Amino acid sequence: DSGVTQTPKHLITATGQRVTLRCSPRSGDLSVYWYQQSLDQGLQFLIQYYNGEERAKGNILERFSAQQFPDLHSELNLSSLELGDSALYFCASSAYTVNEQFFGPGTRLTVL
Amino acid sequence: QQQVKQSPQSLIVQKGGISIINCAYENTAFDYFPWYQQFPGKGPALLIAIRPDVSEKKEGRFTISFNKSAKQFSLHIMDSQPGDSATYFCAARWNQGAQKLVFGQGTRLTINP
Repeated sequence: DSGVTQTPKHLITATGQRVTLRCSPRSGDLSVYWYQQSLDQGLQFLIQYYNGEERAKGNILERFSAQQFPDLHSELNLSSLELGDSALYFCASSAYTVNEQFFGPGTRLTVL
Repeated sequence: QQQVKQSPQSLIVQKGGISIINCAYENTAFDYFPWYQQFPGKGPALLIAIRPDVSEKKEGRFTISFNKSAKQFSLHIMDSQPGDSATYFCAARWNQGAQKLVFGQGTRLTINP
């Protein structure tokens, strides 16, 4: 158990809808990272927050957004969902640097 | 080029054998190289990591070999066990501007008993 929690575990929704994925980092970790894992794209970095501020952005679509709250939990918002957004979404956290990232169990999103 | 190329895509090894997974990168802006192990239905777990000023790092049955001049690094699993069957990802930290981990495509390792 990495200490990173993610909810929900599974999410099934329809195209055009909006969903919110939640992540609680390990106790004391200030950085949160979001990744998308799909069969054809592998693990793709989406976005990083550090102590409430956006620190780095990867291949994140404009339809996707994230935020980190004062209690350090983070939410990833996915809107206008398309079939191709079906994937596993992982959250990871680290204490300060990006070196040692600890991953949560993921949220499996299925868009029908 | 922010890419890490990993091979092979899949690997089958007999119990007790050595499993070897290779990764290569092009850009010298990468400065930290971790390996992650992922079991089905679980998130990736950090296995072992190395910095480019070290040529080898060993932790138990797992060894990373790093060749800075060739821009290649590999994971060796000695005395492979069925419990090692998982997907392995190499990664590299991009250290210019936005620091982030760039992952290889993964290797599905199967250890036959």
